[in-house]
Amino acid sequence: ETGVTQTPRHLVMGMTNKKSLKCEQHLGHNAMYWYKQSAKKPLELMFVYNFKEQTENNSVPSRFSPECPNSSHLFLHLHTLQPEDSALYLCASSDRGRETQYFGPGTRLLVL
Amino acid sequence: AQSVSQHNHHVILSEAASLELGCNYSYGGTVNLFWYVQYPGQHLQLLLKYFSGDPLVKGIKGFEAEFIKSKFSFNLRKPSVQWSDTAEYFCAVNNQGGKLIFGQGTELSVKP
Repeated sequence: ETGVTQTPRHLVMGMTNKKSLKCEQHLGHNAMYWYKQSAKKPLELMFVYNFKEQTENNSVPSRFSPECPNSSHLFLHLHTLQPEDSALYLCASSDRGRETQYFGPGTRLLVL
Repeated sequence: AQSVSQHNHHVILSEAASLELGCNYSYGGTVNLFWYVQYPGQHLQLLLKYFSGDPLVKGIKGFEAEFIKSKFSFNLRKPSVQWSDTAEYFCAVNNQGGKLIFGQGTELSVKP
C-alpha cells in the first residue's frame, strides 16, 4: 500500500543532531497525525493537524516540532533528542477527525 | 480519562484454534471502535471498524468483532486462526473529539 509514505524508514542520530521526518499522504485526506510507538506501550498521539492547522499537541516536549505546509505533507523536526525518544514514529491521515485513520510504515528512530 | 484496555498481552495458539481478544474502553459517550493489525515488519492496517448499526462487524481475513455497549466492550474473534495471523492486534476508540485512543496491543503467536 502506498497511501501514506514516510521517510526515512530508519534513522540513527546523536543527541546534538537535528533531523526531520517526512510524511506524505496520497489519499486526499485533510487530517494528519504523528504518533509515537514504544515497546510495550500503547500508541501515543503526539500532534494532530486539520486543514494544515494544528489542533492537538499532546504535551509533547519542544524538542519535537511539527510542520504541516499543506494537507498532503507533514514533517516532524527533531533536535537535541534524548535516548528515551528512541521509538517508532508513525504518521497517519484521515478524511475527518472521527473517520478511519490510515497509517504509514513508520520511521524507526534510534537516539544515541 | 478515556482509556482502552486489552486484557491479553501475549496469546499463543495452535493453528485452527479459535481466537477471542478482549477490548474494553472507558468513554461513556458516542464512540467509533476499531481493530488494527500490525504484521511483523509491516505497518498498522485496519482490520475492521464499528461506527453504528449492526453491533456484529465483519472484517477482513475472517475476523469479526462484537460491540456490546452495556459492557463497553469490542472483542475481536476468529473461529480458526492460521499461522499467517501471527501479528500484534490493537483496539482503538475515538469519540466526539476525534482523538483516537489505542490499547496497549496484544501479540498473537500462532504455532503451525
